[in-house]
Amino acid sequence: QSALTQPASVSGSLGQSITISCTGTSSDVGSYNLVSWYQHHPGKAPKLIIYEDNKRPSGVSNHFSGSKSGNTASLTISGLQAEDEADYHCCSYAGTSTYVFGTGTKVTVL
Amino acid sequence: QLVQSGGGLVQPGGSLRISCEASGFTFSGYWMIWVRQAPGKGLEWVANINQDGSEKFYGDSVKGRFTISRDNTQNSLSLQMNSLRAEDTAVYYCAINLNWFEIWGQGTMVSVSS
Repeated sequence: QSALTQPASVSGSLGQSITISCTGTSSDVGSYNLVSWYQHHPGKAPKLIIYEDNKRPSGVSNHFSGSKSGNTASLTISGLQAEDEADYHCCSYAGTSTYVFGTGTKVTVL
Repeated sequence: QLVQSGGGLVQPGGSLRISCEASGFTFSGYWMIWVRQAPGKGLEWVANINQDGSEKFYGDSVKGRFTISRDNTQNSLSLQMNSLRAEDTAVYYCAINLNWFEIWGQGTMVSVSS
């Protein structure tokens, strides 16, 4: 159950687009269309922003998008906004009712 | 919604029970999950339980020490934590498990220290 690998930090200017990677293995990310992404502001509960690799829950802004290629999933934030500054975590189903989260990425808006 | 209770400071080797009370949905119809975040670290899956409590799964770091349970008559989820270690210090969250986690509790802090 090794954590999925995410960059520790990503930064971008207002209005810019950024992409956060989430690298797993053929036993988790590469095997199931069950990668989800969470936005996490300190002191609050995580918020689901992407599920099933690329689907957005109702009410989540369309400037968040998800994709996947092989064992790597990606979250793209288009048109970076000040309120996007937060920690972002990916998660993948890993079989037999187990899950693995990513190492987490801190997004800074310059 | 999910409202958590319990948590606090406990000595290494000690035990603690945290709970999560559900309302506004049919609790007995959903898998549930516990997730934690240690200070400065990412989220970590802790444990899962199915709708009637007959299936339980645990992360390697807590297997044999933690027990997840539920009471569908009380719409309540619990995590019994035994043989606690300093590395179990974290904010613990309960959530509804749909293979993704859309509804979360507010989190409860567990600190393990002498």
